[in-house]
Amino acid sequence: DIVMTQSPLSLPVTLGQPASISCRSSQSLVYSDGNTYLNWFHQRPGQSPRRLIYKVSNRDSGVPDRFSGSGSGTDFTLKISRVEAEDVGVYYCMQGTHWPPWTFGQGTKLEIK
Amino acid sequence: EVQLVESGGGLVQPGGSLRLSCAASGFTFSSYWMHWVRQAPGKGLVWVSRINNDGSRTSYADSVKGRFTISRDNAKNTLYLEMNSLRAEDTAVYYCARDHSGNDEEFDYWGQGTLVIVSS
Repeated sequence: DIVMTQSPLSLPVTLGQPASISCRSSQSLVYSDGNTYLNWFHQRPGQSPRRLIYKVSNRDSGVPDRFSGSGSGTDFTLKISRVEAEDVGVYYCMQGTHWPPWTFGQGTKLEIK
Repeated sequence: EVQLVESGGGLVQPGGSLRLSCAASGFTFSSYWMHWVRQAPGKGLVWVSRINNDGSRTSYADSVKGRFTISRDNAKNTLYLEMNSLRAEDTAVYYCARDHSGNDEEFDYWGQGTLVIVSS
């Protein structure tokens, strides 16, 4: 099974400051079709997860452009250029290349300082 | 509007059974794979099971293999998860999510979740 490792697990950030979350996979996530199936999700307290980014760097509709995804192979990053209050919650990376199982990172809890 | 609405959760004793449902609307259900993902209280997301669009192929996490059965009724636009021999460690919120990687719609919509509590 592919292990997804996120860091940090806790991320206190001042409003308006940038934030960055790392996600590493135990194997390359490049699929045979050339795509890399690495997604990022955001889960606010008491809510369902919401997909933010698919295939490493593609923002979902309605996701603010302060969110960006990057990376390749086994190393991926989610960046928030300027954190806003609504960004609090837990962020998860997930791989959909080597399945089953689909696997998630442990989650990174973003809070406002 | 895409909607996924789970139901069927509740309190069940260890060793008991429960059947979860996920009613889909707003998209062509029969064209999508579907997944169940769970989240134990205060913990992270864990993939549980997946079914392909016509129900002919299924996959399970090792932790539920042999105990849980995923199925679907495309005529009713509904996904199911039959859970048997339930254990305390199965206590979680169970979410359904859709998947159509060919359309870049892998896990792009999730339901609100249904809570399963396994306890005596």
